[in-house]
Amino acid sequence: GENVEQHPSTLSVQEGDSAVIKCTYSDSASNYFPWYKQELGKGPQLIIDIRSNVGEKKDQRIAVTLNKTAKHFSLHITETQPEDSAVYFCAASRGSYIPTFGRGTSLIVHP
Amino acid sequence: KAGVTQTPRYLIKTRGQQVTLSCSPISGHRSVSWYQQTPGQGLQFLFEYFSETQRNKGNFPGRFSGRQFSNSRSEMNVSTLELGDSALYLCASSLEIVKTTRGLWDTEAFFGQGTRLTVV
Repeated sequence: GENVEQHPSTLSVQEGDSAVIKCTYSDSASNYFPWYKQELGKGPQLIIDIRSNVGEKKDQRIAVTLNKTAKHFSLHITETQPEDSAVYFCAASRGSYIPTFGRGTSLIVHP
Repeated sequence: KAGVTQTPRYLIKTRGQQVTLSCSPISGHRSVSWYQQTPGQGLQFLFEYFSETQRNKGNFPGRFSGRQFSNSRSEMNVSTLELGDSALYLCASSLEIVKTTRGLWDTEAFFGQGTRLTVV
């Protein structure tokens, strides 16, 4: 089955800095890669996703890149703000309704 | 548009008891998935229902079961509770898979707030 590795497990940055979270996947047939943000006491919320037919997608301060050859994808957050502090999860799936999630990255943005 | 609603938000049960959790998906979503979230194991897939049928199942013991009703609402049941069942149980709903010439594409999963189950 699919295996998704996510790094780092904890990321601490100063407000205004950039943050990068990386994930690798094992199943070359995976074609959908969502990123979720989970704030304390809440369920995960989709913040951006990318499909295998594109290499990069951007939404304001958030961007995701995908390298299908290397089987890795990354989340980039620029100009971080304290409200970006949360746990971020990556996932990979291939039209099977069973996305495999990474273990999560706890992002801490210091004011 | 209302989001995914899970009830109750919090539950405290005793070992050996059973529990039923409820999930109301977003209107129009026919796929409902359940996940167990713990600090040590992350998000673990339990099962997925589509049109009242269990379509996919994760690696959990038979004590974990679920069902989906004709209105797409879903319930999951855990019998003979163990201390290790303490976790946040999340429900997610999705639209139908998109079929394209490039293959099958998953659609976005919308999560509920979860039910925090504590077994004592």
